[in-house]
Parts: sequence; structure tokens; C-alpha cells
Amino acid sequence: AQTVTQSQPEMSVQEAETVTLSCTYDTSESDYYLFWYKQPPSRQMILVIRQEAYKQQNATENRFSVNFQKAAKSFSLKISDSQLGDAAMYFCAYFSENAGNMLTFGGGTRLMVKP
Amino acid sequence: DADVTQTPRNRITKTGKRIMLECSQTKGHDRMYWYRQDPGLGLRLIYYSFDVKDINKGEISDGYSVSRQAQAKFSLSLESAIPNQTALYFCATSDQEPGLAGAGEQFFGPGTRLTVL
Repeated sequence: AQTVTQSQPEMSVQEAETVTLSCTYDTSESDYYLFWYKQPPSRQMILVIRQEAYKQQNATENRFSVNFQKAAKSFSLKISDSQLGDAAMYFCAYFSENAGNMLTFGGGTRLMVKP
Repeated sequence: DADVTQTPRNRITKTGKRIMLECSQTKGHDRMYWYRQDPGLGLRLIYYSFDVKDINKGEISDGYSVSRQAQAKFSLSLESAIPNQTALYFCATSDQEPGLAGAGEQFFGPGTRLTVL
């Protein structure tokens, strides 16, 4: 079974600085997708960024980018120019059509942003 | 209007009571899911349905049941609630054939916070 591990329960960053959230996963599949979801205090799950495993280029979305290391099974999220609104829980998630079409989530990282 | 709605948003109940959480969607998606969220454990899959006649158990289905009344509606029931079912519950949907650009993406409702005393 696939597992997703987020080793940092909490992180903090100064406003305008850069922070990197870690995620590792375990799979025997070669074709899959990885996601980062943000959960602010409103509880809503918001998709931040996605990465297709067959793409070597790291995904970027404005201030958010990933470092996808397929061989190492690592998928970290970098947030540049951190803003107060970035404070939230962040979840890494894995999906493969060959593994039941399920999303498997990590345990989450709580990000605090200091003004 | 929200594409995926959940009712109620918050519920407090007592041990042994039967509880139903409801989910509706206007996205036209065939696939629907129920998750629970606990601190430090992320979201774990309870049940999922790929169409009205297809219901499957997820990772943690014990103590729960579901009903897919229509393509747009998927309900989760706790037949006899217990305190360790206190959690945040999410409904989600996905497109059966989203294409490569949307593969794996799920759309979440706002969540229901359930407290069992």
C-alpha cells in the first residue's frame, strides 16, 4: 500500500521569507500524481499545486513551487515571499489510477507565519 | 454557490445515537468520497462510490455506512456513535474522466465537525 509521510508537524516562517515543507512517499508505481493541499482555519481543502510523475519539470504556481525527486520519492513544497494568509495546515497527497484511484494523504504540516 | 455542500457543518451528539451526514454536489461528477480527519493523521478514506450502484469500503469503514441516493448525493451514517468517532468529516468528488490535466484531483466540501460525547 502507498504511504505518504510528512515529517514536520509544525513549521514557522517570517513574513516575506521562504519556507520548504517536506513530503516523502512510498510506491511501486511508475505513473502517479502528487498534490499539495492547503487547509486554512476555515477548514476548506484547497488545491495548491500538482505534479505528474512522468514530467521531469517541477511544477510552479505563482509563489508555490515543488522539488520533485522521483528516485528519492520526495516531493517538497517551497513557498516564497511568505504571506500571513499562507498560515494553514498543508497536506501532501498521492494518487495513482493503478492503485484504486484513491488519494492517500500525509499527516499534515502546520505552517505559522510570523509578522 | 458551493459546488460541494455538506450538512450539518457542526454536530454534537451523544454516545449510541444514530447520525447522518449529508453531501450534495453540483459538479456532475460520478465519483464521491467520505474522509475523516484526525490531528496528525491527515485525511483517511471511509467509503467511496464510483457511481450510484457502486459502493466500496475505504481504509477505515468499521462503524460507518453510506448511501448513494443519486449521482449528486452521498450520505454517511454512524449507526451508533462512539466518542472516538469525534472528528472532522469531509465529502469529496472527482471526475471519472478528467483527462491528464485533472487526473486524481478531488474537490472537497467544507467539512462537518462531529463531536460525540
